[in-house]
Amino acid sequence: DGGITQSPKYLFRKEGQNVTLSCEQNLNHDAMYWYRQDPGQGLRLIYYSQIVNDFQKGDIAEGYSVSREKKESFPLTVTSAQKNPTAFYLCASSRGGSENTIYFGEGSWLTVV
Amino acid sequence: QQQVKQSPQSLIVQKGGISIINCAYENTAFDYFPWYQQFPGKGPALLIAIRPDVSEKKEGRFTISFNKSAKQFSLHIMDSQPGDSATYFCAASIKGYQKVTFGIGTKLQVIP
Repeated sequence: DGGITQSPKYLFRKEGQNVTLSCEQNLNHDAMYWYRQDPGQGLRLIYYSQIVNDFQKGDIAEGYSVSREKKESFPLTVTSAQKNPTAFYLCASSRGGSENTIYFGEGSWLTVV
Repeated sequence: QQQVKQSPQSLIVQKGGISIINCAYENTAFDYFPWYQQFPGKGPALLIAIRPDVSEKKEGRFTISFNKSAKQFSLHIMDSQPGDSATYFCAASIKGYQKVTFGIGTKLQVIP
């Protein structure tokens, strides 16, 4: 089955620790994205990548970092500089083109205590 | 700056009723307008989409109405069912650009 796999589904970390969320896609999509979802704030774009070895900051990139070494993989690191990291994180991908449909993973819940 | 304004943020509809969610955009360069449906604890999934060269698109009980001159589009859910209870996001994008702009979302609850 083609799709986007995020892991882990649930993650607990102590304040001050960095944590990396995994995202793998087998849809052969060029573009990949990371969104953060908080209640009442919709989907906020953290980073996106249009091609391997290239990525751009989204609307709320501070305190996050990404890499895109392979087409299939786009991991997100939540650093200790992120002031309020507890949230639901969604990875997504798209083929691009004239109808840019975004395909989302199942999400990762990060709780920082 | 919110480029796609979505309303209402929450909606309660009785079973069998019509659910209506509205979105308005500012950027006239947008040329693709999808709607996504998200169930609790899951990622959003594409529900239905429209391009600005048509005024309406229907798929089953779901219809998008598009008003290009008013820069507005809306989702209508006919004969709403409890299984439709979810959060709905409108979105907009421009051909050739990877970044997609989402509305803030509408939490729909369909009560029996």
